[in-house]
Amino acid sequence: DAGVTQSPTHLIKTRGQQVTLRCSPKSGHDTVSWYQQALGQGPQFIFQYYEEEERQRGNFPDRFSGHQFPNYSSELNVNALWLGDSALYLCASSRRDEQYFGPGTRLTVT
Amino acid sequence: AQTVTQSQPEMSVQEAETVTLSCTYDTSESNYYLFWYKQPPSRQMILVIRQEAYKQQNATENRFSVNFQKAAKSFSLKISDSQLGDTAMYFCAFMTDSWGKLQFGAGTQVVVTP
Repeated sequence: DAGVTQSPTHLIKTRGQQVTLRCSPKSGHDTVSWYQQALGQGPQFIFQYYEEEERQRGNFPDRFSGHQFPNYSSELNVNALWLGDSALYLCASSRRDEQYFGPGTRLTVT
Repeated sequence: AQTVTQSQPEMSVQEAETVTLSCTYDTSESNYYLFWYKQPPSRQMILVIRQEAYKQQNATENRFSVNFQKAAKSFSLKISDSQLGDTAMYFCAFMTDSWGKLQFGAGTQVVVTP
């Protein structure tokens, strides 16, 4: 049984560009949450998707948007990238209260 | 607003010894969930142990156990018989409902030395 997978592993973008990160949940999980983890800090909640709808959102600007597909996989889109968006982006899937994390995507904005 | 505080930035422990990590949280909710996650250098966030606030019995998972003090809003993690593979950043996390967001502390770096 594959766990949570994320792609790509890492990528480098230029300020002002747009980026899409992808996540496939663990088998049997229907909820996907996204977190941003800056270097040396704990993860910060971006938003959560359930039944293809955004169910909760953290304190992130509208430049951060997402989508969930019928197979429960999810995308995180960030528009107009800032240098401060450089971070590890973690996806977590869940069915109830235990969230299982993917390996993350390391985004560097130059 | 709910907050999670981990006051120990780094802890060092020798192999086979025991180390205890502290975590305090602040909430007005009566029911919630608490977690400890481990993040080794590989970056993968791994669930170590969970505790539901309505359960008085402290959770245990092999060498990992918690001391949950609801009145004091304290949730410490004890790692017994420490192994080199336990070297990682440990995060305490809090959730107010079964499908909600996780709120993390700043983390404690645990270094296990031979």
